[in-house]
Amino acid sequence: NAGVTQTPKFQVLKTGQSMTLQCAQDMNHEYMSWYRQDPGMGLRLIHYSVGAGITDQGEVPNGYNVSRSTTEDFPLRLLSAAPSQTSVYFCASSPLAGGHNEQFFGPGTRLTVL
Amino acid sequence: ILNVEQSPQSLHVQEGDSTNFTCSFPSSNFYALHWYRWETAKSPEALFVMTLNGDEKKKGRISATLNTKEGYSYLYIKGSQPEDSATYLCAPQGGSNYKLTFGKGTLLTVNP
Repeated sequence: NAGVTQTPKFQVLKTGQSMTLQCAQDMNHEYMSWYRQDPGMGLRLIHYSVGAGITDQGEVPNGYNVSRSTTEDFPLRLLSAAPSQTSVYFCASSPLAGGHNEQFFGPGTRLTVL
Repeated sequence: ILNVEQSPQSLHVQEGDSTNFTCSFPSSNFYALHWYRWETAKSPEALFVMTLNGDEKKKGRISATLNTKEGYSYLYIKGSQPEDSATYLCAPQGGSNYKLTFGKGTLLTVNP
């Protein structure tokens, strides 16, 4: 199993550009989520999904869209990038059964917005 | 959004020292408490998921305890090794909505 994969690893955007961060998992996990990590702020939840076709907002959703058309994929879209979105983005997944399962994290995407 | 406090923010110890950190969280609407280990340039990896008051979990030299009534958890490392150097994150789960709220972590540096 590849686990949780994220692409790209690094990205530089100009203000106003749009892009999609890809996340995929091959563990058949129902729950998937996106976090951003900023210095001194810890991991903050952007959006999450409990299954195909179901998404919801986390703590810091503004400026980001998500969709979940398949169990495996959970892309994060930046509609119009802003310097405040410069961050490291992590995707994570976990099974739902039991309600309190560990999350498996991808390797992260480092995004810089100029 | 849950208020999660981790202390200390950072810690330097010598190889062989034992150490512990604290995670404080709201005791109301508690569902589970997660601990993660995050090495530099890697991704967070789960250490423990704890659900019951009085729970104690152990993995090698690392152990954790949980007090849900007063809202805290301790993580202990016995005989620290340089490879234990990492940021240790706790994340309470409030209610069965699967969402975790991460603390800012404790950065542990173990000097050889």
